[in-house]
This record gives sequence, C-alpha cells and structure tokens, in this order.
Amino acid sequence: SQQGEEDPQALSIQEGENATMNCSYKTSINNLQWYRQNSGRGLVHLILIRSNEREKHSGRLRVTLDTSKKSSSLLITASRAADTASYFCATDGYSSASKIIFGSGTRLSIRP
Amino acid sequence: EPEVTQTPSHQVTQMGQEVILRCVPISNHLYFYWYRQILGQKVEFLVSFYNNEISEKSEIFDDQFSVERPDGSNFTLKIRSTKLEDSAMYFCASSSPRTGALWETQYFGPGTRLLVL
Repeated sequence: SQQGEEDPQALSIQEGENATMNCSYKTSINNLQWYRQNSGRGLVHLILIRSNEREKHSGRLRVTLDTSKKSSSLLITASRAADTASYFCATDGYSSASKIIFGSGTRLSIRP
Repeated sequence: EPEVTQTPSHQVTQMGQEVILRCVPISNHLYFYWYRQILGQKVEFLVSFYNNEISEKSEIFDDQFSVERPDGSNFTLKIRSTKLEDSAMYFCASSSPRTGALWETQYFGPGTRLLVL
C-alpha cells in the first residue's frame, strides 16, 4: 500500500504568496520528514517532525502533523522563485527502523 | 557543512554490464542507504546497511544487487548485470542515530543518473 501521498500534485502560485502542500499516510509513524528536489537533482532535507510533535518551524517553513488524521502539511511563506521544486513527504516504516517511504510529491512552481 | 557525495554523477552502460555506484557518506554517520528514482516516479527504498551488514532490503533489491563498505569511507552499490529497467537516478543516504533510536534524518547525496542501453 502507498504510504505518503501529497496533495496537490502540482501547485502554481505568484511570488510572495504562501504555498501549502499536504501529505497523507496510512500507517503509524515515528516521524515524518519533508524533502525538496530541484528538477533532476538530489533530495534536500527540509524538516523532521516527530509523532509527538504537532507543529514545527524552520525559517519560512511551517510543518504541522496530525497523527489522528494521519496527515501533515508544509507551509512555505512569502514564496520566492528559488522555491520552485518538487516537495516530498517521507515517513519512516513504523515497524522498520531504517527505511523511509516517500510520497509522489507536489510540483511547486513560483511565478515571478 | 558535511555532505554525502556520489560518483559518478552520470553513467551510461550497456545492458548486461556490471556497474558500481560509489558514495561517501557523512563521516560520523553509522547507517547507510540506497534509494532509486525512476524518471517521473517516486523515490524507492532499496537497502539499508549498518555495522557492515544489510539491515533491510526491498523486493527491488534482488540477487543482481549488492552493497559493500570496502573501507572506512566508501559505500558502494553494485549491479551485476544491468537491465534496461535499472535506468534511474540512484541516491545514497546516511544517518546517525541517537543512542537507543534508529530513526533519524537521512541526508541524501546528489545522485548518480544511470542509463542502461
């Protein structure tokens, strides 16, 4: 079964606006991470939120986690052209301490 | 800031040939991983490695794949006889667990783009 699934699949907003991306997952987790991937490039870790946390901030990023709904959101405030990328949520396999499971990602485009 | 490095950045090979993808994890990390991403698809877990042995592998990681930590710094993925469907971006990652915990941030390398012809 698929674990993390992002919504929307694609998002296009004007520079300066806020971007919100959502992630849903199916099984219990210990933590959830968000990664960014520029086109054809590597994965950059953005933020990790643990299952006992509800909200976390890092610069212009705000992540929430609702374990009762098995969902998370990533908010990027005051978006910039450089934020154009794909964003993935990734959950740990609750019964597996090693692998992380990626969602399909949201392609974010920031219009100048 | 320490980072995971991978070589080569691109590799083109003929079907049936062996390839070795190389990674240098962050130096004080203890857990190492390989993932792959077929063009336009999700990032998929292949294998994790700890204490000189595989700790978990996916169904993708069949007998054609092997991993090795030949020395104190390198971590390699070998594909013995490449197939067309092995064409993908291969990512190495490493992590450093806190005492008593195994789940931590995984830091990814820039990837090796493998093209099998």
